[in-house]
Amino acid sequence: GAVVSQHPSRVICKSGTSVKIECRSLDFQATTMFWYRQFPKQSLMLMATSNEGSKATYEQGVEKDKFLINHASLTLSTLTVTSAHPEDSSFYICSARTGVEAFFGQGTRLTVV
Amino acid sequence: DQQVKQNSPSLSVQEGRISILNCDYTNSMFDYFLWYKKYPAEGPTFLISISSIKDKNEDGRFTVFLNKSAKHLSLHIVPSQPGDSAVYFCAASAQSDMRFGAGTRLTVKP
Repeated sequence: GAVVSQHPSRVICKSGTSVKIECRSLDFQATTMFWYRQFPKQSLMLMATSNEGSKATYEQGVEKDKFLINHASLTLSTLTVTSAHPEDSSFYICSARTGVEAFFGQGTRLTVV
Repeated sequence: DQQVKQNSPSLSVQEGRISILNCDYTNSMFDYFLWYKKYPAEGPTFLISISSIKDKNEDGRFTVFLNKSAKHLSLHIVPSQPGDSAVYFCAASAQSDMRFGAGTRLTVKP
């Protein structure tokens, strides 16, 4: 199957700093990329949808100025958590879509201390 | 607004028996449905899918059934194995939108 690489897998940062998470489709071009957040024992919550070269579409309740998404190419999307706070600690997962199927990265465990 | 629902948060079955995971959706624009399997601290991995023009798709021990009139799909695993223990998410997609259910934690007991 198609491979999506998400980096880093784990990151610990200090409160107030920014963290960038990368999502790359390695062997295909992704028409759309999705960013999800998973809280403990909960489902995947869609944060935003991004198409290459256009602005991301954020879900209701997700602050676009806090979670900056850049989708500069068909193989790379980045999520930057700006001015991170402990409540931003979570498991963030990206997925890249080609055709009707989507493939997921391995996720990033963000811990803000 | 939860467009995709998995009403059973957990399911426990005995090894060798059938596991049936259910999923309901509300948006009739969804035209492709997928099941993903997720282990802790990992991203979901694709398991099986079905197009809205079909009502059944089978792949080895996994079969997905789609009932469009009821807006319901289910995943059957038979025979269930302990290695199948994971959280299963159903997903529904339409063009550039993809929504997930809350997940069902399947435990297969030896």
